Amino acid sequence: DGGITQSPKYLFRKEGQNVTLSCEQNLNHDAMYWYRQDPGQGLRLIYYSQIVNDFQKGDIAEGYSVSREKKESFPLTVTSAQKNPTAFYLCASSTRGAGGWNEQFFGPGTRLTVL
Amino acid sequence: SQQGEEDPQALSIQEGENATMNCSYKTSINNLQWYRQNSGRGLVHLILIRSNEREKHSGRLRVTLDTSKKSSSLLITASRAADTASYFCATDASGYSTLTFGKGTMLLVSP
Repeated sequence: DGGITQSPKYLFRKEGQNVTLSCEQNLNHDAMYWYRQDPGQGLRLIYYSQIVNDFQKGDIAEGYSVSREKKESFPLTVTSAQKNPTAFYLCASSTRGAGGWNEQFFGPGTRLTVL
Repeated sequence: SQQGEEDPQALSIQEGENATMNCSYKTSINNLQWYRQNSGRGLVHLILIRSNEREKHSGRLRVTLDTSKKSSSLLITASRAADTASYFCATDASGYSTLTFGKGTMLLVSP
């Protein structure tokens, strides 16, 4: 899982509540990403950030929000506006090399269940 | 929509056999990456191949890229039970570091 930590590992939420998932990296990577994975599916990009205090929407940003106040941290908030939030959430980071962007390193994931 | 599509969706082999997984994509890419995911865990990067490369090796892994056919293959030689996992291809088409993942191939290696 490299130098990326995600917490908590499991999270249970009641409908109508906002929850925040933590992602921290000590790899000194510039870029960080949030993905959502549903059973039997690939990963879908929620948000990404290539520099502190800046972030971009991915393919499925509706109902989610992020912040990037520090290079090491990229928390994801799942808001009550997200209609189907139960999923496995993965955080990743990467850095830019001479040939372009390098591979992404992933955290262990947070499994969110809405009760 | 998903850029990469892996084939087959599932593959079951015996230890010692080779496993081949294919990935097709739709648009031009900067690079293509293969990842492995054990059940309920995060993804582990295997190989990155850039658009100007045709083949890369890493241990028992061999990846090929055919940009004219918009396809890639991952070969795992002499499979082991520990290779049991889902394998995903991901494409970087934008140059902005974002990846688009396929749905994966689930590989089962039986002892």
